[in-house]
Amino acid sequence: SAVISQKPSRDICQRGTSLTIQCQVDSQVTMMFWYRQQPGQSLTLIATANQGSEATYESGFVIDKFPISRPNLTFSTLTVSNMSPEDSSIYLCSVEGVTGELFFGEGSRLTVL
Amino acid sequence: AQTVTQSQPEMSVQEAETVTLSCTYDTSESDYYLFWYKQPPSRQMILVIRQEAYKQQNATENRFSVNFQKAAKSFSLKISDSQLGDAAMYFCAYRSARGADGLTFGKGTHLIIQP
Repeated sequence: SAVISQKPSRDICQRGTSLTIQCQVDSQVTMMFWYRQQPGQSLTLIATANQGSEATYESGFVIDKFPISRPNLTFSTLTVSNMSPEDSSIYLCSVEGVTGELFFGEGSRLTVL
Repeated sequence: AQTVTQSQPEMSVQEAETVTLSCTYDTSESDYYLFWYKQPPSRQMILVIRQEAYKQQNATENRFSVNFQKAAKSFSLKISDSQLGDAAMYFCAYRSARGADGLTFGKGTHLIIQP
């Protein structure tokens, strides 16, 4: 399984600001996925990030709000822009394993005041 | 679009007993994967078990096993000899075998282990 590191682990942010979350993987992977987990809820896919192409966003998520970069096969960033309290969530990075499963980072817990 | 339904928001079991968590899903695809993930309070998502839809044999991982009923679109998780460390949120998840999609998760079941 891949080792996935996310930074920051947690942060408290002021409304109207933006925060960039980093995801580093210890091996090259084709697809990376970003998920959001709102308090007490399940995980919802934000977007799929492929190296060399624009991210593919799920319904309800837009690039202006959640810009994603994927500069190489081991790294990706997710920015949460112009944050509001409703953006308070855990954001998780995940990558595909060799047999169809996804492996997850430990998540980044954001609190927006 | 695929959907995953977990109808048990919370389950409780005595330590050393057996518990079954339910999951149903809806899809028009014939080739896909199903998973159970565990999320303890530390929030790390941990893969518990996986099942490929084309395999009739139910997957087993030590104390964890599934009952996969493809026609009924049912995928339950059985935990035998429950241990205190099994306490967590359990999420059932679906993934198309096409490989380009992420996981679709159910709402989760909170498993409590009574000592």
